[in-house]
Amino acid sequence: DSGVTQTPKHLITATGQRVTLRCSPRSGDLSVYWYQQSLDQGLQFLIQYYNGEERAKGNILERFSAQQFPDLHSELNLSSLELGDSALYFCASSVDPLNSYEQYFGPGTRLTVT
Amino acid sequence: EDQVTQSPEALRLQEGESSSLNCSYTVSGLRGLFWYRQDPGKGPEFLFTLYSAGEEKEKERLKATLTKKESFLHITAPKPEDSATYLCAVQGNSGYSTLTFGKGTMLLVSP
Repeated sequence: DSGVTQTPKHLITATGQRVTLRCSPRSGDLSVYWYQQSLDQGLQFLIQYYNGEERAKGNILERFSAQQFPDLHSELNLSSLELGDSALYFCASSVDPLNSYEQYFGPGTRLTVT
Repeated sequence: EDQVTQSPEALRLQEGESSSLNCSYTVSGLRGLFWYRQDPGKGPEFLFTLYSAGEEKEKERLKATLTKKESFLHITAPKPEDSATYLCAVQGNSGYSTLTFGKGTMLLVSP
């Protein structure tokens, strides 16, 4: 158990819908990262937050957005869902994004778009 | 742009048969190289961080090494419970740099 929690574990929804994924980082970690993992693409970095502020963006679609709240939990919002958005979505957290600290991953949310 | 290439894509070993996984990387100033283990449907589990060429780290049957262009994950006398996908990632020096992952090596150890 990494200490990072994610809800829900599974999500099944239809195309065009909107969903919200939730993540709580490890105690003491200020930085949260979101990743998407599909069979053909591997782990792709989406976005990073540090202490409530966006710090880095990766391959995140405009239909996707995220935020980190004052209690440091984070939410990833996915809208106008397409079949290709079906994937595992992971949240990770670390102490300090500037230094080479390892990221600890949550158990993931499996999103299925039908 | 940081890049990570892992080989082989898949590896099948007999229990006790030692081998190595390769991670080749290009990065603009290496801040750290990370190895993770991922079981099917689960989140990656942190194994090692390597910072500079020549560094080695060990954990049970696993040993990670680092050169200026690649890293190796050596698996000595593997057991079936070592079966998993092993992921390599690099963190470069540019600002709030994030991790770039390879696609992983899927290891299957048969009894």
